[in-house]
Amino acid sequence: NAGVTQTPKFQVLKTGQSMTLQCAQDMNHEYMSWYRQDPGMGLRLIHYSVGAGITDQGEVPNGYNVSRSTTEDFPLRLLSAAPSQTSVYFCASSLTGPPYEQYFGPGTRLTVT
Amino acid sequence: KNEVEQSPQNLTAQEGEFITINCSYSVGISALHWLQQHPGGGIVSLFMLSSGKKKHGRLIATINIQEKHSSLHITASHPRDSAVYICAVFGSSNTGKLIFGQGTTLQVKP
Repeated sequence: NAGVTQTPKFQVLKTGQSMTLQCAQDMNHEYMSWYRQDPGMGLRLIHYSVGAGITDQGEVPNGYNVSRSTTEDFPLRLLSAAPSQTSVYFCASSLTGPPYEQYFGPGTRLTVT
Repeated sequence: KNEVEQSPQNLTAQEGEFITINCSYSVGISALHWLQQHPGGGIVSLFMLSSGKKKHGRLIATINIQEKHSSLHITASHPRDSAVYICAVFGSSNTGKLIFGQGTTLQVKP
């Protein structure tokens, strides 16, 4: 099992550019989520999904889009990058139902200039 | 006020010391997660618990549901324990969403 994988590990964007952060898991987890981590703010939920075709907003969804066409993949799209989106992004997955341990990807460090 | 509060925010210890990190929460929960993040590194799960106590090696996690409080203990601390320790709770609605504390930065000096 590769677990939860994220690509790229590092990315620099200019303001206004778009890009997609990739997240994949091979554990057949229904629940997947995206977080951003900023100094002094802790981890904040951007979007989450409880299964293929189902997504919902988290705490800080503005400026980000997601889709879930397969159980394995949960990409995060930045449509028009802004410096405020400079952060470390983590994808996580788990089974649904009773609380299950969440597995985190290695993170993507994004800088928007 | 944050729904999940950790203390202390920063902690420096000498190798070998016994360390305690505290987590208090103000919401109903179904379970609590302790996570570890090394500098520049990913996030790994240490424990998930909904009652009592769990032990793994030198790490012990306890939870008191009535008092809405959990503690993470590290016995015989080592410099490789230096990391950020994050407490996160699953709300009682069982959606899978986590509410995170701000993290405790631990440095263990040799």
